[in-house]
Amino acid sequence: DTEVTQTPKHLVMGMTNKKSLKCEQHMGHRAMYWYKQKAKKPPELMFVYSYEKLSINESVPSRFSPECPNSSLLNLHLHALQPEDSALYLCASSPGVRAGSGYTFGSGTRLTVV
Amino acid sequence: QKEVEQNSGPLSVPEGAIASLNCTYSDRGSQSFFWYRQYSGKSPELIMFIYSNGDKEDGRFTAQLNKASQYVSLLIRDSQPSDSATYLCAVNMEYGGSQGNLIFGKGTKLSVKP
Repeated sequence: DTEVTQTPKHLVMGMTNKKSLKCEQHMGHRAMYWYKQKAKKPPELMFVYSYEKLSINESVPSRFSPECPNSSLLNLHLHALQPEDSALYLCASSPGVRAGSGYTFGSGTRLTVV
Repeated sequence: QKEVEQNSGPLSVPEGAIASLNCTYSDRGSQSFFWYRQYSGKSPELIMFIYSNGDKEDGRFTAQLNKASQYVSLLIRDSQPSDSATYLCAVNMEYGGSQGNLIFGKGTKLSVKP
């Protein structure tokens, strides 16, 4: 299995809603990442988990809350989002944080905040 | 400041021609370099990685790295309309001590005309 699976593929939520994005990989990778990508922009790093511990938080607002329940799963909990948070949210994994062989990306969750 | 620079394009080439995509990076200590292809509305897909100075070939793709000049490029031979996409250069940069993560350039949009 060489895939990173993200669910849901599309999500529309109101500014008062609470929702979660899910990411799963079964490649034995020990580093997992959340990226945010706006239209016509490159992916921007949000969070890095290494061995299930949060190692990097790129000054992301607290309305985004990551969770890594085990080595295969990564969640992103969303609460009280703003319309400007609408974007493609990408999960990625790599064997280790040094990313020597690159990241494998999931297909992403396209989020729309209304 | 950690930066990866790319010409945003668009770069337009005729079918069958060679497309040349360029990237420069700021961190002289970077060791790993990646090219991702991203179709509109899709997630990035790893197509090449390179660690050592010189050329690395894989099918129609050749990655070139010059660490002294802090320059990495991607050549696509016999370009096809299906190669039309945005090409993201990514560099593994040291961050927060021993950890590293991928920093992406803004991407170059390639258009291959039939």
